[in-house]
Amino acid sequence: KQEVTQIPAALSVPEGENLVLNCSFTDSAIYNLQWFRQDPGKGLTSLLLIQSSQREQTSGRLNASLDKSSGRSTLYIAASQPGDSATYLCAAVYGNKLVFGAGTILRVKS
Amino acid sequence: EAEVAQSPRYKITEKSQAVAFWCDPISGHATLYWYRQILGQGPELLVQFQDESVVDDSQLPKDRFSAERLKGVDSTLKIQPAELGDSAMYLCASRITGTWEQYFGPGTRLTVT
Repeated sequence: KQEVTQIPAALSVPEGENLVLNCSFTDSAIYNLQWFRQDPGKGLTSLLLIQSSQREQTSGRLNASLDKSSGRSTLYIAASQPGDSATYLCAAVYGNKLVFGAGTILRVKS
Repeated sequence: EAEVAQSPRYKITEKSQAVAFWCDPISGHATLYWYRQILGQGPELLVQFQDESVVDDSQLPKDRFSAERLKGVDSTLKIQPAELGDSAMYLCASRITGTWEQYFGPGTRLTVT
């Protein structure tokens, strides 16, 4: 069964700290790995998509890496800000299908 | 910037009633998805359309859920009768066929009492 796990489930950090969110997937035959942000009660905003042939993608203060062989991806957030507070979801892309993790709830304290 | 539209944003209904959600994908996006997200969990795929055809509805509880996309543009997801366990966020997403990225709407928050 294709499953995605995210660790930690919740994280609280002071403003300015660098942090890492972890995502693992059981089936390494992924096409892509995608990271999303979800604000409370809202839909999903795509942050980064890493194709299976790539090892990482960067957008501003965000950097996502992908290691297919170990079934892992990490999202690195540099110099965190209170506005980064949200739930971060990773999704493994298998063909047309996204399999999501349960998310990491991030709180950045000012 | 084009967005996926969903309505209503919030819906409260009583157990055993019928409820319907509407989704209008980004223009030109032939692939449309409905997901259900229970609080504290990630979204789970309910149904996928390619134009007006259902591609995958293997996780759709067909005894009470139905989905249609008659003209291959907007889509409706219906639940009849609603049960307490159906309380969740219902998300619609769309993408351009042949590309990877799915674009999500704001969702409909359903509460069944």
